[in-house]
Amino acid sequence: GEDVEQSLFLSVREGDSSVINCTYTDSSSTYLYWYKQEPGAGLQLLTYIFSNMDMKQDQRLTVLLNKKDKHLSLRIADTQTGDSAIYFCAERKGDFNKFYFGSGTKLNVKP
Amino acid sequence: EAGVTQFPSHSVIEKGQTVTLRCDPISGHDNLYWYRRVMGKEIKFLLHFVKESKQDESGMPNNRFLAERTGGTYSTLKVQPAELEDSGVYFCASSQEITGHHTEAFFGQGTRLTVV
Repeated sequence: GEDVEQSLFLSVREGDSSVINCTYTDSSSTYLYWYKQEPGAGLQLLTYIFSNMDMKQDQRLTVLLNKKDKHLSLRIADTQTGDSAIYFCAERKGDFNKFYFGSGTKLNVKP
Repeated sequence: EAGVTQFPSHSVIEKGQTVTLRCDPISGHDNLYWYRRVMGKEIKFLLHFVKESKQDESGMPNNRFLAERTGGTYSTLKVQPAELEDSGVYFCASSQEITGHHTEAFFGQGTRLTVV
């Protein structure tokens, strides 16, 4: 994608931490998001961060935002096989839920 | 409460045919969005309705795509005539935005369209 880029694949072992990275290009983005898509399912909002924050933690999820480098990451602690899915990074630039998504990172968790 | 519902879940059509996708948003949500993911690439915005009006249709690829939301409830996305490059997964989302507040967009499961 022209605006948001992510690596395509990540493979980790159960119990390890997963870190999924994303870069975006527009410094005017208001919110940045992580969505999860499990096989055969729709997009599920995992977490989001307001653009004036550096970090947000929600149970096993930690989001880090580096505005200077336009870099967003999602860390999943104690990764489980149920975390296997495609994770999409997205940015929102205006008042509405018009998102610019990346291509998605497929996370494979090995038992 | 029902979430965002899309129909059909899968559609296989021949090049040149017409297909109509339907999205039922969450009841009471004024905002409805269509997105598309083609061939494992990024999910791209197509258009945004506020009630029955098109707020932003900057992502519609060409005039073979027609979206409607008569009455401000469900929406349809018609592709006529379909081309091979239209294959992909079409997502619909709805939300009830409140100025100055963050509101979540809820996505449907998507319609997988295959044009052969």
